[in-house]
Amino acid sequence: AAGVIQSPRHLIKEKRETATLKCYPIPRHDTVYWYQQGPGQDPQFLISFYEKMQSDKGSIPDRFSAQQFSDYHSELNMSSLELGDSALYFCASSLISEWTGGGRQYFGPGTRLTVT
Amino acid sequence: KQEVTQIPAALSVPEGENLVLNCSFTDSAIYNLQWFRQDPGKGLTSLLLIQSSQREQTSGRLNASLDKSSGRSTLYIAASQPGDSATYLCAVDGGSQGNLIFGKGTKLSVKP
Repeated sequence: AAGVIQSPRHLIKEKRETATLKCYPIPRHDTVYWYQQGPGQDPQFLISFYEKMQSDKGSIPDRFSAQQFSDYHSELNMSSLELGDSALYFCASSLISEWTGGGRQYFGPGTRLTVT
Repeated sequence: KQEVTQIPAALSVPEGENLVLNCSFTDSAIYNLQWFRQDPGKGLTSLLLIQSSQREQTSGRLNASLDKSSGRSTLYIAASQPGDSATYLCAVDGGSQGNLIFGKGTKLSVKP
């Protein structure tokens, strides 16, 4: 079965540089979520998109932006990178149900971003 | 604001033991609860999802229960194996848009 695809898997950037992370959801899933997991931390919700529109926003810095494209893939753009942005960034996708909320979320393998 | 707590933070057991991981949440208005497994530096593998209307779900040696009114869930692992060693995360979906709120996890070590 198809899974969530994230690229790149590893990324090394310097402070103040920009980074773009990509996510390809499971086919026919209508919702994409981005999470950030710092070292030794639990995943924190950043932002989500439903049918290509931003649906919810969590603890996402103003330096970050994201969008979902017509083919449902999503990109997380990160500018003016700081050392504290070093983390695992996960994308997840699901099929929203009116009755059961977000449903099961399927996570990608993550992108490990290291800022030096 | 929804908060999710997992107890214990770490657990070490000998192979073959049955064990229980606990998860509690402060706001009972949830759509569902998911249990995940995470190996070091790796992604999240969904183990079980319990809808708010359900009491439990089972998959192989895993059984998860949900008591929404008391804000509690447990993950029961039967006949533990060294391959079960990982961090187990509990997460609740509290909104119609489905973003998950995670606990800090229980780090399980099963010794041969």
